[in-house]
Amino acid sequence: DIVMTQTPLSSPVTLGQPASISCRSSQSLVHSDGNTYLSWLQQRPGQPPRLLIYKVSNRFSGVPDRFSGSGAGTDFTLKISRVEAEDVGVYYCTQATQFPLTFGGGTKVEIK
Amino acid sequence: QVHLVQSGAEVKKPGASVKVSCKASGYTFTSYYMHWVRQAPGQGLEWMGIINPSGGSTSYAQKFQGRVTMTRHTSTSTVYMELSSLRSEDTAVYYCTRGDIAAAGTHCYMDVWGKGTTVTVSS
Repeated sequence: DIVMTQTPLSSPVTLGQPASISCRSSQSLVHSDGNTYLSWLQQRPGQPPRLLIYKVSNRFSGVPDRFSGSGAGTDFTLKISRVEAEDVGVYYCTQATQFPLTFGGGTKVEIK
Repeated sequence: QVHLVQSGAEVKKPGASVKVSCKASGYTFTSYYMHWVRQAPGQGLEWMGIINPSGGSTSYAQKFQGRVTMTRHTSTSTVYMELSSLRSEDTAVYYCTRGDIAAAGTHCYMDVWGKGTTVTVSS
């Protein structure tokens, strides 16, 4: 199974300041079709997860442009350019290049 | 608008089985994969498996092989996840989530999530 490792575990951020989350996979996420199936999910307290980013850097419909994804191969990053109060929650990276789908352990974003 | 409506909370005894339903609306049910993901209290997300609602084919995580069964009723646009031989470690919120277009054969993302069904296993 592909292991997804996220850092940091927790990220206290000042409102209006940037935040960055790293996700590393135990093997390359490049699929045989040339795509990289790495997504980012946001889970606000008490809610189901919500898709933010798919295929490394594609923002899903309705996601604010302060969220961006980057990376390649085994190293990926989610950035929030200016954190807002509604961004508080846990963020997960997930890979769908190979079964079983796997998730990172999550990074909690909280306001300082 | 795409919606996934899940069945209500369940309390089960160890050794019992639970069947959770997920009714889809707002799109062509047979065109998209459906995944099941669970989340134990205070823990992260865990993928359980996937069903193709068109033909009913499934793929399960090794961890759940032999204990999980995913099925679908196309006439009611509903998928089901049944987990047997329940133990306390199965206490979790179970989510259905829509996957990619089945015809694509790949798994780009999970774009719509149900609200989750809480399953509590306790004697």
